[in-house]
Amino acid sequence: DVKVTQSSRYLVKRTGEKVFLECVQDMDHENMFWYRQDPGLGLRLIYFSYDVKMKEKGDIPEGYSVSREKKERFSLILESASTNQTSMYLCATASTSYEQYFGPGTRLTVT
Amino acid sequence: GQNIDQPTEMTATEGAIVQINCTYQTSGFNGLFWYQQHAGEAPTFLSYNVLDGLEEKGRFSSFLSRSKGYSYLLLKELQMKDSASYLCAHPNTGGFKTIFGAGTRLFVKA
Repeated sequence: DVKVTQSSRYLVKRTGEKVFLECVQDMDHENMFWYRQDPGLGLRLIYFSYDVKMKEKGDIPEGYSVSREKKERFSLILESASTNQTSMYLCATASTSYEQYFGPGTRLTVT
Repeated sequence: GQNIDQPTEMTATEGAIVQINCTYQTSGFNGLFWYQQHAGEAPTFLSYNVLDGLEEKGRFSSFLSRSKGYSYLLLKELQMKDSASYLCAHPNTGGFKTIFGAGTRLFVKA
């Protein structure tokens, strides 16, 4: 079974803080993704990575950055958290079959 | 462009059959996915259609018509635990990104 873990289920941060969300997978998948999910808007892609040290912007990259130093680990960084970044953040991995495997999600609240 | 449309909400009765429709536009086709997402949880894979027609998997079936840009998810013998959001999705032309619909929230009532 594919296992995708995220560093926190719930997180509360203050405006302006730097926030790190970490995702780890154990299936040796090349592709990893970070999404945010908001009511009525569905899943929106922030960044994705198809190899170590490779990253591509998704649909809403502003205010975020990512890091992939090892194949199994993909980190999402909020450089200076803002209240409009309050959301559910989901990490996912995929092999060449396109099927995505999701982590449990991190519900981030920025106050 | 690449776009997915599906109804926002549906309600059905326990034991009944429900069909959730999805229409999509894409310049290159790499298959059509359905995912299930219970409230507060991550999406999980339900089905993947590449060819036209109906694929059945237990109580769930998924249909695809590539010429019409249309798919549906059919849930039979509905159970209360089927109350969830159902997401229609397809990989983009390059295959690296998956485009998700906003999801259909299904409420199953007794």
